Amino acid sequence: GDSVTQMEGPVTLSEEAFLTINCTYTATGYPSLFWYVQYPGEGLQLLLKATKADDKGSNKGFEATYRKETTSFHLEKGSVQVSDSAVYFCALRDTGGFKTIFGAGTRLFVKA
Amino acid sequence: GAGVSQSPSNKVTEKGKDVELRCDPISGHTALYWYRQSLGQGLEFLIYFQGNSAPDKSGLPSDRFSAERTGGSVSTLTIQRTQQEDSAVYLCASSPDSIGELFFGEGSRLTVL
Repeated sequence: GDSVTQMEGPVTLSEEAFLTINCTYTATGYPSLFWYVQYPGEGLQLLLKATKADDKGSNKGFEATYRKETTSFHLEKGSVQVSDSAVYFCALRDTGGFKTIFGAGTRLFVKA
Repeated sequence: GAGVSQSPSNKVTEKGKDVELRCDPISGHTALYWYRQSLGQGLEFLIYFQGNSAPDKSGLPSDRFSAERTGGSVSTLTIQRTQQEDSAVYLCASSPDSIGELFFGEGSRLTVL
């Protein structure tokens, strides 16, 4: 079945450091890929998405590129801020099955 | 508001009691999901409704769990004879189509004593 694997956390960085959170997937169809974010005390919300191969999703300085050849959708940000501290979830939605599958989440701590 | 609404936001119950959790999706959204998020864990898929199709119940952990969606709108997740391991945040999400993003509610935190 479809699955999403993302790097385990927590990830601790200093402010202005470069961030990468790895995400790989397994899917039988051609999924849409997403990153969701859960800030402390808040509900999950969409951060960015890509719907086909080679698409790049971007938002709030974060980027992720849909790589079909490596079945990956790694999240990157060039300079993190304390306010980026949150849990980040990689997810896929297979157009055939409609179900959205989430990774386990990666907790990010950014120190001032 | 225009977002996904869940109730109750907090529920404390005794082991063995039944509980009902309600989700009111965004108007017009055809897809509705239930997930469970245990402390420090990821999102565990429970059940998925899409329009008038039969629901995908493949994630329900036991026959104590059931869900229905009336009139293609409001959904109720029922947990019978609750156990302590059912303690978690139950999240509802809706989506306007089969490929787009999910819009999440704030969740219902269930504590089973």
